Amino acid sequence: DTGVSQDPRHKITKRGQNVTFRCDPISEHNRLYWYRQTLGQGPEFLTYFQNEAQLEKSRLLSDRFSAERPKGSFSTLEIQRTEQGDSAMYLCASSLGVGREPQHFGDGTRLSIL
Amino acid sequence: DQQVKQNSPSLSVQEGRISILNCDYTNSMFDYFLWYKKYPAEGPTFLISISSIKDKNEDGRFTVFLNKSAKHLSLHIVPSQPGDSAVYFCAAITGAGSYQLTFGKGTKLSVIP
Repeated sequence: DTGVSQDPRHKITKRGQNVTFRCDPISEHNRLYWYRQTLGQGPEFLTYFQNEAQLEKSRLLSDRFSAERPKGSFSTLEIQRTEQGDSAMYLCASSLGVGREPQHFGDGTRLSIL
Repeated sequence: DQQVKQNSPSLSVQEGRISILNCDYTNSMFDYFLWYKKYPAEGPTFLISISSIKDKNEDGRFTVFLNKSAKHLSLHIVPSQPGDSAVYFCAAITGAGSYQLTFGKGTKLSVIP
């Protein structure tokens, strides 16, 4: 089963450090999304790619956050100068990109800031 | 401002009975709705969806009902099984070319054997 794969599953880092997460979408899925989920909340949209083009960005995506999808396949999400408030589960999802189809999620990367 | 609201944080149901999970929304631009199920330490898994042009969609034990005038949707699970115990999220998408999902806070369903 080649679902959405995220790496690492867990990341513990000190405040002020930079972190990078990777997402491998389902093969042939053109759309890729990043969400953030904190305790007791539903996932919150961060950004979305159609192939390699970043088409939507949430106001939650501050200047310290950057996402890329260089060849329209895997994507990376980088957080610079991490803060306590960045502690969350970062979820990646993908979809075919032919219309209003469901997004399929990975198991997420849990980030803990010490 | 919570545009998608799931007002019941938890729900307990006996095995074999019906589970009804509710969701309200405030944004009239939402035109596509989805339900996801989430087990601990896993990502959300898509269950069922409904377009705003319909009022009901059924898939096996799962049925979603949409009442546009009330801005309300519900997920019915019949019969409920212990394996259905999970957190259920309601999500919505607006039209106009946006694909971002707006989620509620979730309802934790416990199915008691």
